[in-house]
Amino acid sequence: AQSVTQLGSHVSVSEGALVLLRCNYSSSVPPYLFWYVQYPNQGLQLLLKYTTGATLVKGINGFEAEFKKSETSFHLTKPSAHMSDAAEYFCAVSGGYGQNFVFGPGTRLSVLP
Amino acid sequence: EPEVTQTPSHQVTQMGQEVILRCVPISNHLYFYWYRQILGQKVEFLVSFYNNEISEKSEIFDDQFSVERPDGSNFTLKIRSTKLEDSAMYFCASSEARTGGAGEKLFFGSGTQLSVL
Repeated sequence: AQSVTQLGSHVSVSEGALVLLRCNYSSSVPPYLFWYVQYPNQGLQLLLKYTTGATLVKGINGFEAEFKKSETSFHLTKPSAHMSDAAEYFCAVSGGYGQNFVFGPGTRLSVLP
Repeated sequence: EPEVTQTPSHQVTQMGQEVILRCVPISNHLYFYWYRQILGQKVEFLVSFYNNEISEKSEIFDDQFSVERPDGSNFTLKIRSTKLEDSAMYFCASSEARTGGAGEKLFFGSGTQLSVL
């Protein structure tokens, strides 16, 4: 079975500052890991995903995440926050084919001018 | 980029009434899903559908829920007798392959906000 925790239900950063959103997972099999973003009044959009291979994954809008097996983590980062990054971010884990996504509770990112 | 479309964007209903939430998945996708998000809570899996039958469902997906692909394009979620606790954002999604496998991508619609009064 898989589970996801996201530390911090709400994170605030200043525009131009580093964004760090934390995700830790639990999985009984090698996981596939995902980050989704939800802008206000919109659906879920895939930011990036890790399946196999390189552990540092780059996504859209300048975001990246690093899979660290030893820490069971998949934290999302962006070097410089932009006002348009304000949204809800969801980490998700899957155990592979036939195993559906398990979403984390989400982290709301606020970007202050 | 292709889109999953959902209608309506917002549905208000009285407790005990039946509602049908509609989705048009991406045309060449084979796997379809419903998720829901109760306000302030995480996104929860409801059901997956492939080859005109349910392939997996969660414990949330009880007898009051049903899904159907009535024609070649629509995928619907029916809630037979709505309860107050059914109020949530319902997301439809589709994918070419079963979720979690390497290479596939899950496309989500923008959601239907269901309010049960």
